[in-house]
Amino acid sequence: QKEVEQNSGPLSVPEGAIASLNCTYSDRGSQSFFWYRQYSGKSPELIMSIYSNGDKEDGRFTAQLNKASQYVSLLIRDSQPSDSATYLCAVILTGTASKLTFGTGTRLQVTL
Amino acid sequence: NAGVTQTPKFQVLKTGQSMTLQCAQDMNHNSMYWYRQDPGMGLRLIYYSASEGTTDKGEVPNGYNVSRLNKREFSLRLESAAPSQTSVYFCASSLGTPGWETQYFGPGTRLLVL
Repeated sequence: QKEVEQNSGPLSVPEGAIASLNCTYSDRGSQSFFWYRQYSGKSPELIMSIYSNGDKEDGRFTAQLNKASQYVSLLIRDSQPSDSATYLCAVILTGTASKLTFGTGTRLQVTL
Repeated sequence: NAGVTQTPKFQVLKTGQSMTLQCAQDMNHNSMYWYRQDPGMGLRLIYYSASEGTTDKGEVPNGYNVSRLNKREFSLRLESAAPSQTSVYFCASSLGTPGWETQYFGPGTRLLVL
């Protein structure tokens, strides 16, 4: 079992719809969770971080964390073509000296 | 501010050749990292430096060495390149404790080893 798992996609959603991206992790003791966006040929950039159970909203983005079920998700409301990218989930696993472990990413395509 | 810069942007090596990837940040960050990204494997940590003068191994350190030259610069050296080291290499930095602070990534170095 991979430590941080994501569906590779592509996830295709029409413009204006809600995109839902999911990530599961193996370490029940994990405390810190991050979503990065990576455009093709570019470097990752941080979208959101979340540390507590529940929802965290920032503009069109909402991160949701459920530690009991060991998943973290990212919702993108009113999806735009410019949101088309690969979204990387990253987790700090216990015993890793606060180093990030990344999932393989989900490719999102927002269609016109 | 340039943020995190990396040189070169692209490099082709022959098996057995050596090279050093350079990384510099102008954000006065304490922590710096080297990752490699391969299709289907995601980003994997090679080495990191929590502060000037310290370095530590990540998930995939074999075949690499690093030097934290000063607070700004963190270099990655391949002593004898192998085709398995063909990858995209990203340098990143963060202000404080690794993981609790946002990591800012450089533009990447695309390395092809023939």
